[in-house]
Amino acid sequence: QLRESGPGLVKPSETLTLSCPVSGGSVRSGDYYWNWVRQPPGKGLEWIAYIYEGGITKYNPSLKRRVAIYMDTSRNQFSLKVRSVIAADTAVYYCARARLAADAFDLWGPGTLVTVSP
Amino acid sequence: DITVTQSPDSLALSLGERAAINCKSSQSLFSTSDNKNYLAWYQQKSGQPPRLLIYWASTRESGVPDRFSGSGSGTDFTLTISNLQAEDVAVYFCQQYFTSPGYTFGPGTRLEIK
Repeated sequence: QLRESGPGLVKPSETLTLSCPVSGGSVRSGDYYWNWVRQPPGKGLEWIAYIYEGGITKYNPSLKRRVAIYMDTSRNQFSLKVRSVIAADTAVYYCARARLAADAFDLWGPGTLVTVSP
Repeated sequence: DITVTQSPDSLALSLGERAAINCKSSQSLFSTSDNKNYLAWYQQKSGQPPRLLIYWASTRESGVPDRFSGSGSGTDFTLTISNLQAEDVAVYFCQQYFTSPGYTFGPGTRLEIK
């Protein structure tokens, strides 16, 4: 299971930090990529980044300069930082597992709404 | 970069009818090295995260009813839902993972029951 945790409300220009503890499996598994995906209210899905096997990362170029994904194997979780947030970062943020054998997201967290507002 | 479009934006059908949702990629998603199309389909019901239905264009995920099927190759793909049920009301997204920069989702198709 995956379940996102985060602040809910962030002020513009601040840094947003989200975490996703993984239960029932290990983030060190070489069978999966660990991802963040977001969805602005009423809009479509945007892939943000993934991390794999403890350190290999890939980012959406449109967000790369402001985001960082990392893994904490001692806590069996992965996290996302978004720097200098703006109103357009308001979205439901999902953590999701991508199965390498399918190249698709086979497990999702319930999502957490993050609102950027003064 | 690859762009992915879907059609129609929305559709409304009666119970028992068949729905066809199309997805078009700006570049081929077919890999000649492993003969796979890197295209997946998801269902998202209101207030829920997406659910994986189909991967590699036509492989049904475990637990997905066989009313859902995927077809197509290269740049044109279709998700078909046979014998529509009330619980199929949702937004359906296609997603590609073939080339950089990474995963790309289509804009979604909203399915409603008349």
